[in-house]
Amino acid sequence: DQQVKQNSPSLSVQEGRISILNCDYTNSMFDYFLWYKKYPAEGPTFLISISSIKDKNEDGRFTVFLNKSAKHLSLHIVPSQPGDSAVYFCAASPNTNAGKSTFGDGTTLTVKP
Amino acid sequence: DTGVSQDPRHKITKRGQNVTFRCDPISEHNRLYWYRQTLGQGPEFLTYFQNEAQLEKSRLLSDRFSAERPKGSFSTLEIQRTEQGDSAMYLCASSLGRGVNTEAFFGQGTRLTVV
Repeated sequence: DQQVKQNSPSLSVQEGRISILNCDYTNSMFDYFLWYKKYPAEGPTFLISISSIKDKNEDGRFTVFLNKSAKHLSLHIVPSQPGDSAVYFCAASPNTNAGKSTFGDGTTLTVKP
Repeated sequence: DTGVSQDPRHKITKRGQNVTFRCDPISEHNRLYWYRQTLGQGPEFLTYFQNEAQLEKSRLLSDRFSAERPKGSFSTLEIQRTEQGDSAMYLCASSLGRGVNTEAFFGQGTRLTVV
């Protein structure tokens, strides 16, 4: 049973437009959520996170939205840049140990110039 | 470079052989994690240490797998009697664990191929 799901394996957007990546989870015990970005031949790197007590967190071009009732979160990238092309992983953890996370299978974002 | 370091980056081994991977975390991080990632999937948690204590192991970690962090600094992950199904990317990560949520910093991984 996959507890964190990213239903879109890939997404392609034009440079300058908005990228929206989605993630659903099933475990109600998750209370901290993270997005990681991964380039080929590198490990995942942290992008942005959100606690369950919030519904939005913003950092520059990146905003994460959390809808607890729907068990859904999304990552918005505005404006998208070609350098954003990577695999994006959604991750969730149940407590203050955010390093021990359950990951989705990732969405490959391609930003076209 | 003060990031998480993993060695080797690539390992090809014959089925039945033992392999050992090393991870050097960020120096001030007291938590260390091992994950496994197969093609097309996200990282899967294997085990984690707080200082030298191994506090949790996933059911994915069979008896052939053992991890240590002897002095609370670097860690090793050993796989005995490797099987083809062990072929994967093994990722190490570290984080500060002082009662607040902090993200994990990942190394570049060790890619294991069992032939």
